[in-house]
Amino acid sequence: AQTVTQSQPEMSVQEAETVTLSCTYDTSESDYYLFWYKQPPSRQMILVIRQEAYKQQNATENRFSVNFQKAAKSFSLKISDSQLGDAAMYFCAYRDNQGGKLIFGQGTELSVKP
Amino acid sequence: GAGVSQSPSNKVTEKGKDVELRCDPISGHTALYWYRQSLGQGLEFLIYFQGNSAPDKSGLPSDRFSAERTGGSVSTLTIQRTQQEDSAVYLCASSLRPRASTDTQYFGPGTRLTVL
Repeated sequence: AQTVTQSQPEMSVQEAETVTLSCTYDTSESDYYLFWYKQPPSRQMILVIRQEAYKQQNATENRFSVNFQKAAKSFSLKISDSQLGDAAMYFCAYRDNQGGKLIFGQGTELSVKP
Repeated sequence: GAGVSQSPSNKVTEKGKDVELRCDPISGHTALYWYRQSLGQGLEFLIYFQGNSAPDKSGLPSDRFSAERTGGSVSTLTIQRTQQEDSAVYLCASSLRPRASTDTQYFGPGTRLTVL
């Protein structure tokens, strides 16, 4: 069975600085998808970034980028120029190529200090 | 357009009562998912509907939990004889083409269930 692990329950970053959130996963599949979701206090889960396992190039969305290491089964999220609005719970998630359910990590709560 | 909506936003019930939670997916989305978010278990998958296919019920924790999706749109998650451990936020999500590489699950705001 696939598992996703986020080993950092809490992280803190100074406004305008850079922070990296860690995620590792376990799967025997070769083709799959990885996601980072953001959950602010409103509870609404928002997709931040996705990565297809068959793509070697790391995904980037504005200030958000990932470091995808397929062999190491690692998928970290880097947030550059952190803003107060980035404060939220961040979840790493895995989905196989058959579609369907997301498997989530335990989450990392990010706080941003002004 | 409208996103995924869920009702009620909050629900408080007494142990042993039945509850129904509703999810309205994004119009045209063929897939609908239910997840549960609790302090002890994190975010866990419950059930997945895709078109006319049989739902994937592999995440339902007990036979007290059931869900249906009427007309390929609205879904209701029913919990019978609620227990205190059922207290959690129940999240619904929908997506357009679950097997496509670009598919994205869009989440509703959730229903916070408290069982006294």
